[in-house]
Amino acid sequence: NAGVTQTPKFQVLKTGQSMTLQCAQDMNHEYMSWYRQDPGMGLRLIHYSVGAGITDQGEVPNGYNVSRSTTEDFPLRLLSAAPSQTSVYFCASSPRRGDSNQPQHFGDGTRLSIL
Amino acid sequence: KNQVEQSPQSLIILEGKNCTLQCNYTVSPFSNLRWYKQDTGRGPVSLTIMTFSENTKSNGRYTATLDADTKQSSLHITASQLSDSASYICVVSALGSYIPTFGRGTSLIVHP
Repeated sequence: NAGVTQTPKFQVLKTGQSMTLQCAQDMNHEYMSWYRQDPGMGLRLIHYSVGAGITDQGEVPNGYNVSRSTTEDFPLRLLSAAPSQTSVYFCASSPRRGDSNQPQHFGDGTRLSIL
Repeated sequence: KNQVEQSPQSLIILEGKNCTLQCNYTVSPFSNLRWYKQDTGRGPVSLTIMTFSENTKSNGRYTATLDADTKQSSLHITASQLSDSASYICVVSALGSYIPTFGRGTSLIVHP
């Protein structure tokens, strides 16, 4: 039982490049989400999914796309990387939707730098 | 606008001492409040979850309190250990919302 696995752990991109951050969970959780964490700020929700085939926008969705074709995987795509997207990205999952009384399980993050 | 404010921003204590971290929120209608511990370079790990009807919850040396009337919570750490050095994050969810509100965290350093 690996929990939430994020790959890669580190990535450097050039402005304008695209890439996909991978997230997989093996706990059969319905709810998955992506956050970014910037210095001096709380985690901010980018996109979330309440189940396979269902996704929705969080607080800061611009510049990012997601899809949820299976319960286990929830990739985050940067369409055209910008320096403002330099951040640490966390994927999280929980058994049910975000306001349930269940803890979210977080991955260990992807540290992304955009030059 | 929903907000979560944590204090202090940072705290340094000696090993073996107790400390208390504060969280004030304006999230409404309230669903639950969670405390997470985030070690450097790692993702947050859940410590406690409290709903409206709960005013105290413990997890080992960690005890969280909630006053839903004043919209305040505290996290008390007893007999601190070096491994308690981390950032502690308060998160509040509103009823019916998929978007939780995160505080900026309190950075705790425990010195030997």
